[in-house]
This record gives sequence, C-alpha cells and structure tokens, in this order.
Amino acid sequence: AQSVTQLDSQVPVFEEAPVELRCNYSSSVSVYLFWYVQYPNQGLQLLLKYLSGSTLVKGINGFEAEFNKSQTSFHLRKPSVHISDTAEYFCAVSLRSSGGSYIPTFGRGTSLIVHP
Amino acid sequence: SAVISQKPSRDICQRGTSLTIQCQVDSQVTMMFWYRQQPGQSLTLIATANQGSEATYESGFVIDKFPISRPNLTFSTLTVSNMSPEDSSIYLCSVGHRGETQYFGPGTRLLVL
Repeated sequence: AQSVTQLDSQVPVFEEAPVELRCNYSSSVSVYLFWYVQYPNQGLQLLLKYLSGSTLVKGINGFEAEFNKSQTSFHLRKPSVHISDTAEYFCAVSLRSSGGSYIPTFGRGTSLIVHP
Repeated sequence: SAVISQKPSRDICQRGTSLTIQCQVDSQVTMMFWYRQQPGQSLTLIATANQGSEATYESGFVIDKFPISRPNLTFSTLTVSNMSPEDSSIYLCSVGHRGETQYFGPGTRLLVL
C-alpha cells in the first residue's frame, strides 16, 4: 500500500517570497503523483501531476514540482507567491488497482498562508 | 475535465437523523468516489460507486451507515445515516476521468448537533 506524508501542516510566507511545500511518499511500485489545491469553501482542483517523462512538472498559477525517485519526494514550489495562493494544498499518489482503476491516497494537507 | 455539482452545499442536522447528498456529473463516468474531509485531516475515501453494482467500502465504513446509490452514469447519492456529532465533516464526491486525475465536487459541509 502507498502512503503520503506532508511534512508541514502550515506554511506562513510573505507575499512575493518563494515557497516550497514538501511531500514524501512510500510505495513498492511505480506511482503517479499529484498536487491538488483547495481554496476556501471550494472543492479540490488539480494543480499539477507527474505520470512519466520529465521529472520537473509545471502546473497552473506558476507552481511546479519535481519528482525525485531516489528520495521518494514530490515537493511543490513557487518562486513568488501571491495573496491569492492562500489555500490548502494536498499531495496525492495513485497506482493502478487490481480492477484497473486509479484510487489516490492523499496527504494530510498543508495550509499555505500568504501574508501581505 | 468533468464538472461536478453537489447538493446540498451545507446543512445543519440533528443527532439521529439522516442526510442524503447528491452528486451530479456533466458527463458519463464509470467510477465515482465519495470522500470525507475532517478538519485538519486528509481526505478519507469512504467508498467507490460503480454504476450497476454494489459500492465498495473502505475499511472503517459500512453500508448501513453510508448507503450509496448509483442509478446511472452521471449521478450518485451518499446517505449519512443516524448521524452523530462525529459525522460533522465535509463530504466530497469525485470522479476519476480516465482513471488519473480526480475531479471533485465543491463539497457538502455537514454539521450535526
């Protein structure tokens, strides 16, 4: 079974500063990796995903993440955050189930708080 | 992508009652998922709902407490039965389009008094 660890429950940062949200996973097989964002009072939406190929993936709103297989990490980064980036961020891993579907496992979430 | 709506968006319920949450998708999908999101915690998968078959429940969740219907390829309901304050949570439905990316509804915020 796979598991996901988001090391920081809350990350406060000032506007225009860089930010990194950390995610580590454990799995005995190859996985797909995702970051989702949840703005206040909304559902989750996909920020970016890694399925294969280049280990650096770019997502919406200027976010990017790098898949590091040796460190089993998929940290999310943004070089300059905006107030509107304040949200909850969830890392998720997914692998193929026996039924041919992909059922993700989510981390506990990291609350990004951007201060002016 | 898929656009998902949920009803109700929020509700306050009395202990011992039941609430049925509806999830509507704008396209036909094979699998729909129901999650619970408790404050400060991760999303927990309750069950997977396939059209035309019984839902598959995750460990810790049972059909008597969370009965699910899946009458067609665009609709599902989750009922939270005999509610207690511990059931206060956000309930999310999602679909796995092509099995990779999950698309989520806006959630139903439930408070049980």
